[in-house]
Amino acid sequence: AQTVTQSQPEMSVQEAETVTLSCTYDTSESNYYLFWYKQPPSRQMILVIRQEAYKQQNATENRFSVNFQKAAKSFSLKISDSQLGDTAMYFCAFMSAPSGAAGNKLTFGGGTRVLVKP
Amino acid sequence: EAQVTQNPRYLITVTGKKLTVTCSQNMNHEYMSWYRQDPGLGLRQIYYSMNVEVTDKGDVPEGYKVSRKEKRNFPLILESPSPNQTSLYFCASSNRGLGDLDTQYFGPGTRLTVL
Repeated sequence: AQTVTQSQPEMSVQEAETVTLSCTYDTSESNYYLFWYKQPPSRQMILVIRQEAYKQQNATENRFSVNFQKAAKSFSLKISDSQLGDTAMYFCAFMSAPSGAAGNKLTFGGGTRVLVKP
Repeated sequence: EAQVTQNPRYLITVTGKKLTVTCSQNMNHEYMSWYRQDPGLGLRQIYYSMNVEVTDKGDVPEGYKVSRKEKRNFPLILESPSPNQTSLYFCASSNRGLGDLDTQYFGPGTRLTVL
């Protein structure tokens, strides 16, 4: 079974600064997907970024980028130029590939709460 | 608009009183799942369905039932709720595919309190 660990329960960052969230995972599979989800106070789950394990290039989405280290089983999220709207809980998640296993089951970490201060 | 809906959004009930949380998606997705979210534990899969009349247990199925009689609907049933089922519940749907086709779409969540 896969496990996902987020070691930072809470982080704070000044507006316009950069913050990096850590995520490590454990799996015996060679191919899989990794995700970061954002959960603002509205509780909605919002996909921030995804990474396919077979791709060496790190994914980026505007101010969000990842550092994917497959050998170390590490998948950190960097938020650049932090904005007040980035205040949320962030979850790292794992999904087996090819897709379909257990209905595209996601295995989540415990979450990191990010507070952006003005 | 592509969406997953859940009802109710908030529910307070008492131990042992049967309840159903509904979930519906309008994207013709084959796969649907229920997750519960608890502090420090993230989201954990309760049950999933890979098609009509095909359901299976996830990681934390005890105390829950599901059914999938229609492709769009996937209700979660708590026949005898207990306080340890107090949680935030999410329904999600997706398809099997490549790239973004297997992206999970989440409902807005249901906050359940069992007294």
